Amino acid sequence: SQELEQSPQSLIVQEGKNLTINCTSSKTLYGLYWYKQKYGEGLIFLMMLQKGGEEKSHEKITAKLDEKKQQSSLHITASQPSHAGIYLCGADLNQFYFGTGTSLTVIP
Amino acid sequence: NAGVMQNPRHLVRRRGQEARLRCSPMKGHSHVYWYRQLPEEGLKFMVYLQKENIIDESGMPKERFSAEFPKEGPSILRIQQVVRGDSAAYFCASSPARGDRRGGIQYFGAGTRLSVL
Repeated sequence: SQELEQSPQSLIVQEGKNLTINCTSSKTLYGLYWYKQKYGEGLIFLMMLQKGGEEKSHEKITAKLDEKKQQSSLHITASQPSHAGIYLCGADLNQFYFGTGTSLTVIP
Repeated sequence: NAGVMQNPRHLVRRRGQEARLRCSPMKGHSHVYWYRQLPEEGLKFMVYLQKENIIDESGMPKERFSAEFPKEGPSILRIQQVVRGDSAAYFCASSPARGDRRGGIQYFGAGTRLSVL
């Protein structure tokens, strides 16, 4: 079993469409990180959420943390090909875990 | 300000040889983490180190794997007598503080891709 489950596993969207990626924890979340990984490269830090109900935005990406549901969501508005990659959530659940990953493809 | 530097980017070893992977953290960062990403699998925590100390090695295989972060120089992940199953991408991350609820964001290197023939 996975401590952090992401859904969907993969996503293919047309450029300009909105999309949402979810991350659900099996344990209480005290904070959550979102990263993006391009094929063959390292992880790029996107956002960190520390408090329940917190919402952060950077350019067209918005992330929210729902501590009660032990969930976080990442929303991309008006997707672009540059958004393509693998999105990973991460959290310290007594050990640092990463989610199962969501592979995003944006079709021009 | 240089990011986390890992070298080599690609490493090829024959079964039974040793692999040494290096990680230089970002300037001012004293916390280093190693992760392994196996083909078709997620990123798995291996070990967390501070200067000269191993804080958490709960993700490290019991044999053949070791890590260090000396007072001077980069952190080293060492794999002895490599086997084909060790082929993976190994990522290092660093943070200025512990990367957990206290808010130490982990910044990642580009990884070392180990291939065992």
